[in-house]
Amino acid sequence: AQKITQTQPGMFVQEKEAVTLDCTYDTSDQSYGLFWYKQPSSGEMIFLIYQGSYDEQNATEGRYSLNFQKARKSANLVISASQLGDSAMYFCALPSNFGNEKLTFGTGTRLTIIP
Amino acid sequence: EADIYQTPRYLVIGTGKKITLECSQTMGHDKMYWYQQDPGMELHLIHYSYGVNSTEKGDLSSESTVSRIRTEHFPLTLESARPSHTSQYLCASSKTGLISEAFFGQGTRLTVV
Repeated sequence: AQKITQTQPGMFVQEKEAVTLDCTYDTSDQSYGLFWYKQPSSGEMIFLIYQGSYDEQNATEGRYSLNFQKARKSANLVISASQLGDSAMYFCALPSNFGNEKLTFGTGTRLTIIP
Repeated sequence: EADIYQTPRYLVIGTGKKITLECSQTMGHDKMYWYQQDPGMELHLIHYSYGVNSTEKGDLSSESTVSRIRTEHFPLTLESARPSHTSQYLCASSKTGLISEAFFGQGTRLTVV
């Protein structure tokens, strides 16, 4: 069974600082991938970044990057130069099996950016 | 910007009523999903579909039902709403092929009184 663990229920970060949101996972699949989604207070889920276990380099998308460490089974999201608009819930998610977008979500981290 | 729409955004309804939550996408995606999310909690998959006439139950047991008669439309129905059904329901879709991101609608916040 897939399992995602996000151990930081809430974080407060000063604007313009970098922040790392932790995510560890457990899967028996040899090939897999990790998604990160952002959920603002309005409720929709916004895709941020994805990395497959087969990718050699850590994924980056603008201010978002993944610190993917397969040996430790962690896929931490790094947000550089945080902005007030980054305040939201952040979810890490793992597909139930490779090639399938049935996602298992972590419990999320509520990030608050302080002006 | 994702083209997936859910209506209504908010719904307050009495116990025992039948309700249908609508979800439509204009991206031509074959795969569609319904997730349930309690406030401040993770999302749980309750239904999914791989295409027209395909529906499967997700990991979380739900009394709701779904149908997929058209590619773009994936409505969720509760025959008799109960207070325990109070939650947020999020619809998503993704394209066929190797893993691609799921696009989510804005959700329906359902309150059953």
